[in-house]
Amino acid sequence: EAGVTQSPTHLIKTRGQQATLRCSPISGHTSVYWYQQALGLGLQFLLWYDEGEERNRGNFPPRFSGRQFPNYSSELNVNALELEDSALYLCASRTRVGDTEAFFGQGTRLTVV
Amino acid sequence: AQSVTQLGSHVSVSEGALVLLRCNYSSSVPPYLFWYVQYPNQGLQLLLKYTTGATLVKGINGFEAEFKKSETSFHLTKPSAHMSDAAEYFCAVQSDTGNQFYFGTGTSLTVIP
Repeated sequence: EAGVTQSPTHLIKTRGQQATLRCSPISGHTSVYWYQQALGLGLQFLLWYDEGEERNRGNFPPRFSGRQFPNYSSELNVNALELEDSALYLCASRTRVGDTEAFFGQGTRLTVV
Repeated sequence: AQSVTQLGSHVSVSEGALVLLRCNYSSSVPPYLFWYVQYPNQGLQLLLKYTTGATLVKGINGFEAEFKKSETSFHLTKPSAHMSDAAEYFCAVQSDTGNQFYFGTGTSLTVIP
């Protein structure tokens, strides 16, 4: 069974540009979570999608947005990139209910120069 | 609201020594608790989880954790550290709605040969 896959693995952008990060959840998982892991800051919750809808978002500005597609894959968009957006962005998926854990992808390393 | 506190952002142990990583949680309902491990530039991998039942939970790579309700703790232990255990460890609690995960700030484990 394929795990959570994220693309690209690395992304280098210039300040002010837009970045698009992609996530494919494990088959059968309907919930997708996005986290930002900046150096020394642990995991900061960004967004949660379930059944195609945004269910919750963390304390991030509106230039962080995303969506979930009918096949439950997800996209994270970061507009007007700032230097401090440089981080590892992790996607996780899980089934919707129950005591199941979240399964994480390998992450996308975004570097803003 | 749920939250997790990991005591000690950095822990160093000698190879073969006991590993003890501390995690305290706050939750208004019986919690679901998790420990994840993250190797450099990778995603998070589940080590073990507590949902219901036995309070001593065994995980992968020889790790175990004990849920102590009276102490609101879920400390991670391993009797004998191995060089390959060097990584970042995250404790997490599931929200009372079952849909969110709250992560601690992580503990970096160094194993000294």
